[in-house]
Amino acid sequence: AQRVTQPEKLLSVFKGAPVELKCNYSYSGSPELFWYVQYSRQRLQLLLRHISRESIKGFTADLNKGETSFHLKKPFAQEEDSAMYYCALSPVEYGNKLVFGAGTILRVKS
Amino acid sequence: EPEVTQTPSHQVTQMGQEVILRCVPISNHLYFYWYRQILGQKVEFLVSFYNNEISEKSEIFDDQFSVERPDGSNFTLKIRSTKLEDSAMYFCASSEGVAGELFFGEGSRLTVL
Repeated sequence: AQRVTQPEKLLSVFKGAPVELKCNYSYSGSPELFWYVQYSRQRLQLLLRHISRESIKGFTADLNKGETSFHLKKPFAQEEDSAMYYCALSPVEYGNKLVFGAGTILRVKS
Repeated sequence: EPEVTQTPSHQVTQMGQEVILRCVPISNHLYFYWYRQILGQKVEFLVSFYNNEISEKSEIFDDQFSVERPDGSNFTLKIRSTKLEDSAMYFCASSEGVAGELFFGEGSRLTVL
């Protein structure tokens, strides 16, 4: 069975502090991993996906197959990063049948 | 920028009534999806739709649910006889390709009384 675990419901940091949002997954095959973000009163939108290896809005995430993790990191948090962040997994053979984690609220305090 | 649009934004219905949630996917997208999120729980996949047929569905998507693309623009989710536990936020999404970026609508909140 596929599962995505985000252990923190809420992460609160000060502006300028580093951020790490944790994500662990369970899947026996080859998954594709994503981070989706939902800003206040906005829709869910893709932040980044592991295959693109991009840095979006200063965020990066590295797929660690040994630890089955896909943690989201940013060296210096900004207030506008405050949002709900969802880690999601898609089994490669099932396209966009995403399995979501429970989400982590990131609050960046000034 | 093109967006997925959903109507209604909020619907309140009585248990046992039929509900149709509507979505207009992004025009050049070929793959369509419904997800739902019960309050306080995870976003869950319901169904994917391609080439006028269901390509994948979850265990949640039982005989009470159906999807349709009645014309070239709309994509609908019908719940035949709503139950209290169908109360949730329902998200429509679309993508250009089978593994492309998912674009979500703002959601339709369904409240079953």
